[in-house]
Amino acid sequence: DQQVKQNSPSLSVQEGRISILNCDYTNSMFDYFLWYKKYPAEGPTFLISISSIKDKNEDGRFTVFLNKSAKHLSLHIVPSQPGDSAVYFCAANKEYSGGGADGLTFGKGTHLIIQP
Amino acid sequence: GAGVSQSPRYKVAKRGQDVALRCDPISGHVSLFWYQQALGQGPEFLTYFQNEAQLDKSGLPSDRFFAERPEGSVSTLKIQRTQQEDSAVYLCASTKNSDSIYEQYFGPGTRLTVT
Repeated sequence: DQQVKQNSPSLSVQEGRISILNCDYTNSMFDYFLWYKKYPAEGPTFLISISSIKDKNEDGRFTVFLNKSAKHLSLHIVPSQPGDSAVYFCAANKEYSGGGADGLTFGKGTHLIIQP
Repeated sequence: GAGVSQSPRYKVAKRGQDVALRCDPISGHVSLFWYQQALGQGPEFLTYFQNEAQLDKSGLPSDRFFAERPEGSVSTLKIQRTQQEDSAVYLCASTKNSDSIYEQYFGPGTRLTVT
């Protein structure tokens, strides 16, 4: 059963507009969330993260919002640029696992296409 | 190098062959992870090392999969008697310490095709 879900396989947005990518999770043990960006034939690149003690984290054009009660997070990119075209993965983790680090649990990804 | 490197980048194996995939993490990074990414899916956790100790191998799909990191730096993922369902991209990631809160840095992956 998918513990991290990205229900939109693809999203097309016009250059300059806002891109909103959504992610839902089911495991209430998750308390740290990350977004990764992936270009073809490359590994995922870390974009932005958020701890469950916050509901928003901003870094330049990228903002992540977390709604713990709804077990939902979203990534906002504004303004969208052509170089933002990539696959975006939502990932979740437990912030303090006690026995060392944990592997991330990923969603299936959303392919963002920025149209000129 | 500055990032995580993996070799080979592409590997074609006939069913039943053994393969070995190499990962060079960022220098000094304590934690190392292996993931498997099937086509159209997100990466799925396979195993985790803290230095040379394999602390979690719960994601390894079968006993044909074996990973090691004998000196706490380079790691090798070995797959014995490959099957078609092993075809995937194998990603390696590292973090500088053992806390979960630090983002993982990924290598480019090895694309394994089993024919």
